Amino acid sequence: SQQGEEDPQALSIQEGENATMNCSYKTSINNLQWYRQNSGRGLVHLILIRSNEREKHSGRLRVTLDTSKKSSSLLITASRAADTASYFCATAARGQGAQKLVFGQGTRLTINP
Amino acid sequence: NAGVTQTPKFQVLKTGQSMTLQCAQDMNHNSMYWYRQDPGMGLRLIYYSASEGTTDKGEVPNGYNVSRLNKREFSLRLESAAPSQTSVYFCATTYFGGLDGYTFGSGTRLTVV
Repeated sequence: SQQGEEDPQALSIQEGENATMNCSYKTSINNLQWYRQNSGRGLVHLILIRSNEREKHSGRLRVTLDTSKKSSSLLITASRAADTASYFCATAARGQGAQKLVFGQGTRLTINP
Repeated sequence: NAGVTQTPKFQVLKTGQSMTLQCAQDMNHNSMYWYRQDPGMGLRLIYYSASEGTTDKGEVPNGYNVSRLNKREFSLRLESAAPSQTSVYFCATTYFGGLDGYTFGSGTRLTVV
């Protein structure tokens, strides 16, 4: 079963606009990660936020985490055509010796020129 | 610097045939993982190896076996392929603890007819 539920499943915006994707999860986590997947390629790690962090930035990416609501959001500012991809959240549960990531179903983002 | 290399990239099998998917990494990572990705299902963990000499089942291990040959290599074997195993298979690696995120290979697209 999937740990993460992502919303929306698909998002289409104009270049230059901001894109926001949301992720909800079910159990306590150690950290939450976001990945990007271009069509037909492997996933690329974008950013990791620990359970004791509330917000993290990396370039045009901003991630928030609300452990009380078991949810996270990924904001991409000033979107570019190259940001067109699928975005996945993944959670690492507490108490595991070896980290195992559980992935959501992803949000498919399309940036229109 | 190749990162994570998966072979083959594409494969078509007949039902009942066997094959081994290979994964090799030069990241000096401890932990290695096999995921499958099906349309609309995100990624699901098949097997993982926290460190050389150990392997454990993930969410969907039935029909698969793995071998952690050494620190660099982690193979996934389908003993008797079934159409339900048609999928894209990804190998991923990380340091034990995983706080640097996973590094993914480019995937093996497997079709079982």
